[in-house]
Amino acid sequence: SYELTQPPSVSVSPGQTARITCSGDALPMQYTYWYQQKPGQAPVMVIYKDTERPSGIPERFSGSTSGTTVTLTISGVRAEDESDYYCQSTDTSGTWVFGGGTKVTVL
Amino acid sequence: EVQLVEAGGGLVQPGESLRLSCAASGFNVSRNYMSWVRQAPGKGLECVSVIYSGGKTYDADAVKGRFIISRHNSKNMLYLQMNSLKPEDTALYYCATRDISGYPDHWGQGTLVTVSS
Repeated sequence: SYELTQPPSVSVSPGQTARITCSGDALPMQYTYWYQQKPGQAPVMVIYKDTERPSGIPERFSGSTSGTTVTLTISGVRAEDESDYYCQSTDTSGTWVFGGGTKVTVL
Repeated sequence: EVQLVEAGGGLVQPGESLRLSCAASGFNVSRNYMSWVRQAPGKGLECVSVIYSGGKTYDADAVKGRFIISRHNSKNMLYLQMNSLKPEDTALYYCATRDISGYPDHWGQGTLVTVSS
């Protein structure tokens, strides 16, 4: 079955830049969505269709693509950005697939 | 305002069935992508089933042949019929919707399903 691969964890100091990658063979053909999830809460979309930022999401969140890898970048990380982050895309059959998640720790 | 309210979770024994429901308001379930996403305790997100606006459905391999996603357009409801439940199906089940343009999306607060003898 199709898999999206994310690093389990990323650590970053306040004010620095965090980059979270997501790799999958079908990513060049399908859009990727990024979600932020805090403990006990439902996920919140922070990037849609690879690079678009939803209304209300800070400008420090951005998305980019390169071949079979997409990247969520958080510039000028703040303590409140400490969360789990998931990429989500679609396999060639139409099923939605999530990456395994990346825990971002703000040091 | 868009709202999604899940119901139907609970404690069941392995092999039993359960039907989850999701009451939608503020939009038409027939015009959006609708999905059930689950999260086992301490684990990541997993989309178990999705139904597209045209009615086509897709299921994750882990639930194929056991779970059925459906919607009732006039009641504006989404359902997940779960059969032959296994302990590994234990999770918080979210109902989620996404506009066909890709944004916005909305999530419910989830309903807990526990499969245990």
